[in-house]
Amino acid sequence: EVQLVESGGGLVQPGGSLRLSCVGSGFRFSSYWMTWVRQAPGKGLEWVAYIKEDGSEKYYVDSVKGRFTISRDNAKSSLYLQMNSLRAGDTASYYCARVVSGAIFGDNLDVWGQGTTVTVSS
Amino acid sequence: DIQMTQSPSSLSASVGDRVTITCRASQSVRSYLNWYQQKPGKAPKLLIYAVSTLQSGVPSRFSGTGSGTDFTLTISSLQPEDLATYYCQQSNSVPYTFGQGTKLESK
Repeated sequence: EVQLVESGGGLVQPGGSLRLSCVGSGFRFSSYWMTWVRQAPGKGLEWVAYIKEDGSEKYYVDSVKGRFTISRDNAKSSLYLQMNSLRAGDTASYYCARVVSGAIFGDNLDVWGQGTTVTVSS
Repeated sequence: DIQMTQSPSSLSASVGDRVTITCRASQSVRSYLNWYQQKPGKAPKLLIYAVSTLQSGVPSRFSGTGSGTDFTLTISSLQPEDLATYYCQQSNSVPYTFGQGTKLESK
């Protein structure tokens, strides 16, 4: 079964740091771009960051640039999101997702984890 | 960044109704438009990619059309399990922005 499982969420004070992890199973992790998407309570989906199969390319939404770092360890089938200088506005459920890439069909997110919740509050 | 705007934001419908949700992009996204379904407390699920291609396992009552800046998601005959929030997403250019969502509720 193809699966993604996130962990690492929790309560953190403003200005603090947190590292999210996502472990993939049931597929060749190293063959896929991967992404993080977040959802603030009661709000819509926001694409956060995106990393190439080998980690050589990374992209971020402007609101997290310079504060968040996406990385991966293909030997461990793991994706990470290092979040620094956290703000109340970063409070959300964070989902990792597998990206199916194609020049004809574009990119889509075909497998999602269950999400991990990050709460930034004093 | 490309802005994605969905309408309506919420919709009440009955089982058996034909339902249409629209998504408009602030600039052309060519055919790089996906639709996701999300039920309360669950992760989103890919429904349709590249405007009109159904993801494996998605019922044929779902369909998508459009190109460039204007897109639609149609449910031909609403079923109880279709009550959810639907999001469009463009993958033409980073950041891959989502629409604000359309919440489909029971009338």
